Amino acid sequence: DAMVIQNPRYQVTQFGKPVTLSCSQTLNHNVMYWYQQKSSQAPKLLFHYYDKDFNNEADTPDNFQSRRPNTSFCFLDIRSPGLGDAAMYLCATSREAGASTDTQYFGPGTRLTVL
Amino acid sequence: GEDVEQSLFLSVREGDSSVINCTYTDSSSTYLYWYKQEPGAGLQLLTYIFSNMDMKQDQRLTVLLNKKDKHLSLRIADTQTGDSAIYFCAVLREDSSYKLIFGSGTRLLVRP
Repeated sequence: DAMVIQNPRYQVTQFGKPVTLSCSQTLNHNVMYWYQQKSSQAPKLLFHYYDKDFNNEADTPDNFQSRRPNTSFCFLDIRSPGLGDAAMYLCATSREAGASTDTQYFGPGTRLTVL
Repeated sequence: GEDVEQSLFLSVREGDSSVINCTYTDSSSTYLYWYKQEPGAGLQLLTYIFSNMDMKQDQRLTVLLNKKDKHLSLRIADTQTGDSAIYFCAVLREDSSYKLIFGSGTRLLVRP
């Protein structure tokens, strides 16, 4: 019954080695979000897709990219992970972007470790 | 921009009520949410309240909203050890971005 699925749950990568995190959803929602959450901090929005339209946050580093090949899947690519990129990465979806349908449903997260 | 603040830590005894508080700055926020995060897990939506409501009750959870003071609270009745987690308050920013702005989370510890 999982609605927002993230793979893998734990990812270890080396400094500078590209890594891709995956998110899929069974809700048929239009909007998909990627958040970064560092220890003991609030989730920080990196970017979101409204359908195929990509919306980047102004302070998201260029090192972070995203792809959404279809409604169900969204990927987070970290081109050259640094030690400061170690965090929990949360994917979320919402039916629309605004008003009462904007409730966001989160996946379980992928914990990224950078060695 | 929007600022959402929460106290960092709350400790209660099992069976007591817990009250987690949140303040926000943007008076135009129309939807306010409470999420729960257990260790190593994602965020679970607990409840939300629309800004034209003062109170919303859902089983053991009661949300109170004081729009004048921009204060939101979550009361958990008969707190159980399974309620130990981090609770995030989040408000929907009502501009073109429709972003959720999160507080820094309140860690609730329930003592047996």
